[in-house]
Amino acid sequence: QVQLVESGGGLVKPGGSLRLSCAASGFIFSDYYMIWIRQAPGKGLEWVSYISGSGNTIYYADSMRGRFTISRDSAKTSLYLQMNSLRADDSAVYYCARAYILCTNGVCFHEKGYMDVWGNGTTVTVSS
Amino acid sequence: SYALTQPPSVSVSPGQTASITCSGDKLGDKYICWYQKKAGQSPVLVIYEDSQRPSGIPERISGSNSGNTATLTISGTQAMDEADYYCQAWDSSTPVVFGGGTKLTVL
Repeated sequence: QVQLVESGGGLVKPGGSLRLSCAASGFIFSDYYMIWIRQAPGKGLEWVSYISGSGNTIYYADSMRGRFTISRDSAKTSLYLQMNSLRADDSAVYYCARAYILCTNGVCFHEKGYMDVWGNGTTVTVSS
Repeated sequence: SYALTQPPSVSVSPGQTASITCSGDKLGDKYICWYQKKAGQSPVLVIYEDSQRPSGIPERISGSNSGNTATLTISGTQAMDEADYYCQAWDSSTPVVFGGGTKLTVL
């Protein structure tokens, strides 16, 4: 059974740090891009960061670049998000998702990609 | 950066057809995905590559994309379809782009 389970959320003060984890099972973890997406209370979905199966390709949304770091561990089949310098507007439910992106002969066709498996989310609250 | 625009809300009567639009510059040149999000639940992929349905998604949910507008169509709308729907595309300037979401209300 394909499954993603997030953990690590909680209450943190502004300026603090938090590390989110996403445990993957039921599929070949290294074959897939993985992505973090968040939803603030009353707001829409917002992508945070994504990483290739090898970990060599990484993208960040502008507002997260320099504060957040995405990583993955194939041996543990886990995805991580290290969040530093947290702000109140980082408060959200954070989802990890599997991103299907077709890659052929080293060329990846991101434009056809889609997120087909999502975790249940973990809640981050930044407040003093 | 690239932007996708959705209407904030759409209402439909049970059994009728709901259409949710997503607009963007030359959107027809890109591939669109649609996600369904119910309160307290994780998003679910309902359409990928403009019009493809993942397994388990009913045939009454369909998608199209042309020109500057993509459309998610739900035929024979049921109460269980009431949710927020998000369109999403990939772009070279802003890798992952989501629309603002549309709340579908089944009256």
